[in-house]
Amino acid sequence: TQLLEQSPQFLSIQEGENLTVYCNSSSVFSSLQWYRQEPGEGPVLLVTVVTGGEVKKLKRLTFQFGDARKDSSLHITAAQPGDTGLYLCAGVVPSGAGGTSYGKLTFGQGTILTVHP
Amino acid sequence: GAVVSQHPSRVICKSGTSVKIECRSLDFQATTMFWYRQFPKQSLMLMATSNEGSKATYEQGVEKDKFLINHASLTLSTLTVTSAHPEDSSFYICSARDRGQGTDTQYFGPGTRLTVL
Repeated sequence: TQLLEQSPQFLSIQEGENLTVYCNSSSVFSSLQWYRQEPGEGPVLLVTVVTGGEVKKLKRLTFQFGDARKDSSLHITAAQPGDTGLYLCAGVVPSGAGGTSYGKLTFGQGTILTVHP
Repeated sequence: GAVVSQHPSRVICKSGTSVKIECRSLDFQATTMFWYRQFPKQSLMLMATSNEGSKATYEQGVEKDKFLINHASLTLSTLTVTSAHPEDSSFYICSARDRGQGTDTQYFGPGTRLTVL
C-alpha cells in the first residue's frame, strides 16, 4: 500500500500571508495531482506534475514535484479568502505487473485552509 | 471539456431501501471510473474501480454485495447502495479517466450526498 502523508491538516492564516502544503511518501508515483475542493462539491483538478523536479505555476500557486517523484509541495503566495478550501494531493499508483492498478489515486489526508480577511 | 456529472446530487432514503447513483462522463469516453466515499472534513476514500464491460475491483473492507457497481458503457457507471443503513450516510464521489488523453488524470463528479434515516 502506498501512503501519502499530507501536512499540515489545518491551516488558518490572514489574507496576504504565504503558505506551503507538503505531501510526502516513501514510494514513487507515476505522477501527482493537486485538487481543491469546496464543501458539498467534488474536487477540482489544479495541476498534474509528472516529471521529477518539475515546477508548475498557476497564478499565485506554485507546485513542485520532488526529484525522486516521492514528494510534492504547493505554495500559495499572498493568500486570499477565495483560496479557502480543502486541498488534496493525490499520487498515481504505477501500474503493477499485468497493469492491474488502472491508474488508481492515493490521496493525502487533505489540508483545510482558511484565509481570514 | 472533461465534465463528469452525478445524479442525484442529494438523496434521502429510509433505512433498508436501495439507492442508485449515476456517474456520467459527458464529453469523453471513460474506460475506467472510480467511486469514492468522503466523510466531513476528511479526504477521499477509494471504494472501487469500475471498468467498462467487466466486474468492478473493490478495495479492502468494502462490501461488494452492499455497494453494487455497474459500468455498462464508456460513459456511464452506477453505484447502488443496497439495504442502506444510517452508517452508509456519506458523500459519494465518482471520477473518470479520459481514455483519449493517455494520462492518469481523473476528473471528478460533483458528488452525491446520501442521507439514510
